Amino acid sequence: EVQLLESGGGLVQPGGSLILSCAASGFIFRNYFMRWVRQAPGKGLEWVSTINSHGSSTDHADSVKGRFTTSRDNSKDTLYLQMSSLRAEDTAVYYCVKAVIVGVTSGYDYWGQGALVTVSS
Amino acid sequence: QSALTQPASVSGSPGQSITISCTGTGSDVGGYNYVSWYRQHPGQAPKLLIYDVSNRPLGVSDRFSGSKSGNTASLTISGLQAEDEADYYCNSRRGTTAVVFGGGTKLTVL
Repeated sequence: EVQLLESGGGLVQPGGSLILSCAASGFIFRNYFMRWVRQAPGKGLEWVSTINSHGSSTDHADSVKGRFTTSRDNSKDTLYLQMSSLRAEDTAVYYCVKAVIVGVTSGYDYWGQGALVTVSS
Repeated sequence: QSALTQPASVSGSPGQSITISCTGTGSDVGGYNYVSWYRQHPGQAPKLLIYDVSNRPLGVSDRFSGSKSGNTASLTISGLQAEDEADYYCNSRRGTTAVVFGGGTKLTVL
């Protein structure tokens, strides 16, 4: 059974930093692209980042570029999101998401339970 | 990054068919066959319904179908059921590296 378990969420002050982790199991993690997608309270979905299967290429939304870094450790089956210079508008539930097929695709079929990040003083 | 355009709400009666549109530009929906659709019930994580315009993941009902014409993608749900009442989001590749979601459509089953 595929499982994605996020951790590391919490309350952080504006300008602060936080690292989210996503522990994957039930599939061959190193074969799949992964994404982070967030959802602010009561709002729609927003793409945050994509990382390829090797971890050699990442893309980030303009809203987080230069502040967030996405990485993965295929030896530990774990995805990371390093967040810095956090702003109130970064407050959201952050989902770790797995691609539905090997290779480039628009579809991401498994979503973690989400990690709530609250940026507030 | 502006979102793809979806109707804010649609409605239908049980057994009917409905279609949700997702309009973008030639730089996203129209330029790539990388459109996906998700359903989200309140308090739950989204569920993938359609990927790469018209492909259904294993386990997704064939009541859900996707298509694209020009800069507009569409999700059609046939045989509407009460459980289909939820929020629906489209998603597309934009340019060579970015990804963009639609604003979401609330489906009400009357």
